[in-house]
Amino acid sequence: AQKVTQAQTEISVVEKEDVTLDCVYETRDTTYYLFWYKQPPSGELVFLIRRNSFDEQNEISGRYSWNFQKSTSSFNFTITASQVVDSAVYFCALSERKGGSNYKLTFGKGTLLTVNP
Amino acid sequence: DAGVTQSPTHLIKTRGQQVTLRCSPKSGHDTVSWYQQALGQGPQFIFQYYEEEERQRGNFPDRFSGHQFPNYSSELNVNALLLGDSALYLCASSLGAYSNTFGSGTRLTVV
Repeated sequence: AQKVTQAQTEISVVEKEDVTLDCVYETRDTTYYLFWYKQPPSGELVFLIRRNSFDEQNEISGRYSWNFQKSTSSFNFTITASQVVDSAVYFCALSERKGGSNYKLTFGKGTLLTVNP
Repeated sequence: DAGVTQSPTHLIKTRGQQVTLRCSPKSGHDTVSWYQQALGQGPQFIFQYYEEEERQRGNFPDRFSGHQFPNYSSELNVNALLLGDSALYLCASSLGAYSNTFGSGTRLTVV
């Protein structure tokens, strides 16, 4: 069975600080995707980043960066120079992939990020 | 380009009643998935529809059923509502292996 663990329930930072959100996953699949989603108070889940299990290259996209390490089954997400608008609940998710299609997403319990001015 | 549209946005039902939630996928998407998100929790997968058939199902009782129409829109039906069914119900659409696009959800309250 797949499992995603986000150990940090809540994080509070001051604007312009860097913040890293932790994610640890479990899966028996050799092919899978990892995601980060943001959920503002409106409720909609906003897609941030996706990584497949074959690509451990870490990248930076604007203020977002991620660190994918298969050896430790971790997929951590960093926001650089945080802003008040980054305040939201952040979810890490895992998806198996079969036949070229995305199957169900397994989500962690989320981390509430509060960025204070 | 419209994203995923869900209706209604809020709903209050009484225990034992039945409810139908609706979802219109993003233009060009052919797969619809439904998730239940209880307060303070991550979304839980209910089921996924593709080509009008249920392709995959999560750990939910048979009281939860769904349907996908030829235009790819979908409905989620819940029978014999329980207090524990109170949650935000999210619909997500996708095309092939591309990432899911989520709607804003339907907030269901069972009293």
